[in-house]
Amino acid sequence: EVQLVESGGAVVQPGGSLRLSCSASGFIFDDYTIHWVRQVPGKGLEWVSLISWDGGHTYYADSVKGRFTASRDNSKNSLYLQMSSLRPEDTAMYYCAKEISLLAVAGTGLDSWGQGTLVTVSS
Amino acid sequence: QSALTQPASVSGSPGQSITISCTGTSSDVGGYNFVSWYQHHPGQAPKLMIYEVTNRPSGVPARFSASKTDNTASLTISGLQAEDEADYYCCSYTSRGPYVFGTGTKVTVL
Repeated sequence: EVQLVESGGAVVQPGGSLRLSCSASGFIFDDYTIHWVRQVPGKGLEWVSLISWDGGHTYYADSVKGRFTASRDNSKNSLYLQMSSLRPEDTAMYYCAKEISLLAVAGTGLDSWGQGTLVTVSS
Repeated sequence: QSALTQPASVSGSPGQSITISCTGTSSDVGGYNFVSWYQHHPGQAPKLMIYEVTNRPSGVPARFSASKTDNTASLTISGLQAEDEADYYCCSYTSRGPYVFGTGTKVTVL
């Protein structure tokens, strides 16, 4: 069974930093692109970032570009999102999600999601 | 990248059919056959319902179907059931990339 488990969410002050983790199991981790998607409380889903299966491709939403960095450690079946210069508008539930197709950067969709980890940016 | 446009809410009685629209542009919905739909019950992980415009993953009931015409994709739920009450989001690959989600639709079963 495919499982994705996020961790690392916390309350952080504006301008601060935080690292989210996503631990994966049940599939060949280093064959799949993994995405980060967030949901501001009471709002819709927003795609945030992706990192390809080998870490060779990363993409970011304009809203986080230059502040967030995705990375992965395939030896640990883990994915990370380093978040810096955090703003109140970054307050959201952050989900990691697996791309459907093997060795595809993006396009086919997201077939497995974690339960999310909550990030609150507030003084 | 602007979100795809969905109606804020759609409702129907048990057994009825409802359709949720998802309108984008030629740079996303209209330009690629890479539209997916997600069901999201509050407090749970989103669930993939449709991928690549019309394909249902195994385990998704056949009452869920989808299509696309020009820049608008649609999700139809036939034979609406109480457990279908949730938020639904479309998502498309985009040339301004890679993904853009819809604004979300709250489905209410009356």
